[in-house]
Amino acid sequence: DIQMTQSPSTLSASVGDGVTITCRANGSISRWLAWYQQKPGKAPKLLISKASSLKSGVPSRFSGIGGGTEFTLTISSLQPDDFATYYCQQYNIYPETFGQGTKVEIK
Amino acid sequence: VQLVQSGAEVKKPGASMKVSCQASGYSFTTYGISWVRQAPGQGLEWMGYISTSSPTTNYAQKFQGRVTMTTDTSTNTAYMEVRSLRSDDTAVYYCARASTVVPPDYWGQGTLVTVSS
Repeated sequence: DIQMTQSPSTLSASVGDGVTITCRANGSISRWLAWYQQKPGKAPKLLISKASSLKSGVPSRFSGIGGGTEFTLTISSLQPDDFATYYCQQYNIYPETFGQGTKVEIK
Repeated sequence: VQLVQSGAEVKKPGASMKVSCQASGYSFTTYGISWVRQAPGQGLEWMGYISTSSPTTNYAQKFQGRVTMTTDTSTNTAYMEVRSLRSDDTAVYYCARASTVVPPDYWGQGTLVTVSS
């Protein structure tokens, strides 16, 4: 199975800060990488697919980059609605696997 | 696009559960359905995927033999049955629209299944 490792596990930041989350795969997944945002008690929401393709309706402050084994999600200027947990997921090969999550909390 | 799941369940160890997921707002057979679960306070765990246009399923190894995913195209509904429930199956179970080249893009609201004696 492909293992996905996110860092950091927790990130403390303030409104207006730029933040970056890293996701590493232990094997090449090309660009078959998605990012999700999840808030407590809610289903995950897809933000980005194919490593960098922003889903329609997702604010442009979210961006993704990467390929192969290393990927990043950047939020250019944190907004109050962005405090949540973020997950990466590889869908290159079954079983699809998720990172362990990165909680973005208010500093 | 909307996926509506069945309600919360409480089950005893050893029992079975079956969660439904009714899709609307798109052509059901154009996308498959993935199932993902989340134990309390834990991360997301992919369980498997079922095609809605062909008899194709892919299950995570740890669920092979204990999980069955099916679909009913007459009602645009997907089902997931889990047998021989254990306490560590307590989780919120999600269905999501997906395909082999599209990650889960629309998700159901989740179904909490509690396994307790």
